[in-house]
Amino acid sequence: DTGVSQDPRHKITKRGQNVTFRCDPISEHNRLYWYRQTLGQGPEFLTYFQNEAQLEKSRLLSDRFSAERPKGSFSTLEIQRTEQGDSAMYLCASSPLRGGGGTEAFFGQGTRLTVV
Amino acid sequence: GNSVTQMEGPVTLSEEAFLTINCTYTATGYPSLFWYVQYPGEGLQLLLKATKADDKGSNKGFEATYRKETTSFHLEKGSVQVSDSAVYFCALSPTGRRALTFGSGTRLQVQP
Repeated sequence: DTGVSQDPRHKITKRGQNVTFRCDPISEHNRLYWYRQTLGQGPEFLTYFQNEAQLEKSRLLSDRFSAERPKGSFSTLEIQRTEQGDSAMYLCASSPLRGGGGTEAFFGQGTRLTVV
Repeated sequence: GNSVTQMEGPVTLSEEAFLTINCTYTATGYPSLFWYVQYPGEGLQLLLKATKADDKGSNKGFEATYRKETTSFHLEKGSVQVSDSAVYFCALSPTGRRALTFGSGTRLQVQP
């Protein structure tokens, strides 16, 4: 088990372009989360999946953002018409289905997006 | 709403010094509390956690006690090492929810 894997690790895009990030969770982890982290701040929750169902979305997730987890395994996060304010580190995390709110989330190393 | 407040960094200590990083929270109900650590070039890792009042989480010489009366979860270590240099994040998971709410992080620099 190699942990949570994210691809790409870095992405530079021009303003207005669309970008898509991929996250492969730890196998058999039913829960998958996306967070966004800007410089000097802690991660901010974006959205959460349990298997293929998207159960929670933050108000931070504007209409330009969409996330999918079609087969309950890997997930994609797409940002349409990128803006400079979207520049951040996008983190994916996963956790097993068992356990309550104290269950540990395992984080990937993130995808750093720079919008120029 | 839910929020976590951490002491601002950077915190600079000499090796073998005592460490305290303060964390207070605002949440309804009985959240679970966590400390995550981010070493240079690595992803966030869980350091320790506590799921109910008066629980003490501990790992790698670090400790934190869930204090509901003061809504705090301060991180302590008796003797820090250079290898402890990292960014430390306090976080909570509200009752009945899965999403974590993080503080802004505290950078620790330990000098030999």
